[in-house]
Amino acid sequence: TQLLEQSPQFLSIQEGENLTVYCNSSSVFSSLQWYRQEPGEGPVLLVTVVTGGEVKKLKRLTFQFGDARKDSSLHITAAQPGDTGLYLCAGPINNTDKLIFGTGTRLQVFP
Amino acid sequence: SQTIHQWPATLVQPVGSPLSLECTVEGTSNPNLYWYRQAAGRGLQLLFYSVGIGQISSEVPQNLSASRPQDRQFILSSKKLLLSDSGFYLCAWSVLAGGVGTQYFGPGTRLTVL
Repeated sequence: TQLLEQSPQFLSIQEGENLTVYCNSSSVFSSLQWYRQEPGEGPVLLVTVVTGGEVKKLKRLTFQFGDARKDSSLHITAAQPGDTGLYLCAGPINNTDKLIFGTGTRLQVFP
Repeated sequence: SQTIHQWPATLVQPVGSPLSLECTVEGTSNPNLYWYRQAAGRGLQLLFYSVGIGQISSEVPQNLSASRPQDRQFILSSKKLLLSDSGFYLCAWSVLAGGVGTQYFGPGTRLTVL
C-alpha cells in the first residue's frame, strides 16, 4: 500500500524565517506533486516533480524530488503571512491518474 | 477556461437524512472526476473515481454512493447519513499532460451531520 507521510504536521513561525516540509514514502513514485490549500477552499497545484533529484523553484519556494523518487521536500525562504495554509504532497496511485495525498502540513506564518 | 462548481457550500443535516452533493465541470470534455473527503486539517481520502458516464469506481467501503448521469456532472449521495459522514467534501477533475495527471479542485462542501 502506498503511503505518503508528511512532517512536521504543524509549523508556526514568524515572518522572514525559513522552513522545510518533508514528504516521505517507502514506495517509489513516478512523480510527486505539491498542493496548497487555504481554509474553506480546494487544494491548488504548486508544482510537479518527475525526475529523481530534480529541483524546481517557484519564487521563494524550492521543491526537491529525492534521488530514489521516494521522498520530496518543500523549502520556503523568508516566509510571509500569505504562505499560510495546508501543504499537501500527492503521488499517483500505481501509475494511474488517481492520486494518494500526504497527511498534510499546516503552516502558520505570523507577521 | 475550465471551471468546476460544487454546491451547496455548507450543509447541516440530521443523522438518518438523505444527502445529495453536486459537482459540475465546464470547459472540458470527458474529464476524469473524483470525490474526496477531508478531515479537519488533514489529507484527502479518495472516495470515488469516474472515467466516464455511468462508470464509477468506489475506493473505500462507506455509506456513500456516487453517480455520473452526464459527462460533466458528478453526484455524491447517501440514503441515510451517519455522524461519521461529517467532513469537507471535494470534487476534482483531472487532465493528463506529459503522462502526469494534474487535478483541479472545486471549492468544496462542508457537511455537518448532527
